[in-house]
Amino acid sequence: GAGVSQSPRYKVAKRGQDVALRCDPISGHVSLFWYQQALGQGPEFLTYFQNEAQLDKSGLPSDRFFAERPEGSVSTLKIQRTQQEDSAVYLCASSPRTDYSYEQYFGPGTRLTVT
Amino acid sequence: RKEVEQDPGPFNVPEGATVAFNCTYSNSASQSFFWYRQDCRKEPKLLMSVYSSGNEDGRFTAQLNRASQYISLLIRDSKLSDSATYLCVVNRGTLDMRFGAGTRLTVKP
Repeated sequence: GAGVSQSPRYKVAKRGQDVALRCDPISGHVSLFWYQQALGQGPEFLTYFQNEAQLDKSGLPSDRFFAERPEGSVSTLKIQRTQQEDSAVYLCASSPRTDYSYEQYFGPGTRLTVT
Repeated sequence: RKEVEQDPGPFNVPEGATVAFNCTYSNSASQSFFWYRQDCRKEPKLLMSVYSSGNEDGRFTAQLNRASQYISLLIRDSKLSDSATYLCVVNRGTLDMRFGAGTRLTVKP
């Protein structure tokens, strides 16, 4: 079946531009996560949705980062006024359950480069 | 100090070798543990969960030592296809997973 998909796969933005990154989770998956992965590092948690509710946004690095999942399926991560330090791969993951011991399925990521 | 620490490697081993990675975590309240595999420029994929009693899946064996707060992954009879970055993942019982920076493995013919 279809896995998690993300678009665009690559995005180059000039410093100060706004960007929107899209995640299509596996159909029926309740939980959705966003992560930021810098070069040579592991993914860092950004935010978590259970259906349409954003239950945890403690990992968002600043108020320039905003995420939504209005209908409990597709999610968008928006970054306003991008900075060079925002350059990273943004990974989305989904899970069919809400308990923390279950596997997360990752999308291929969006590689954001801010110039 | 990061919550999950791994030796970054790289580990370069010949085919057929046995290789072991360790990972330490700082939060004693951590409850679930995993090893994920990430190929170059690809997404992480679950390799195996780590149980208190230790568990094995083919050539892969995972161990958990709660007292010392470390997790290990042993790969026997390494294959070229095992070349990847191995991410140690710890969950504290909340909904976020904490990833280590990963250990890079290269298996050479």
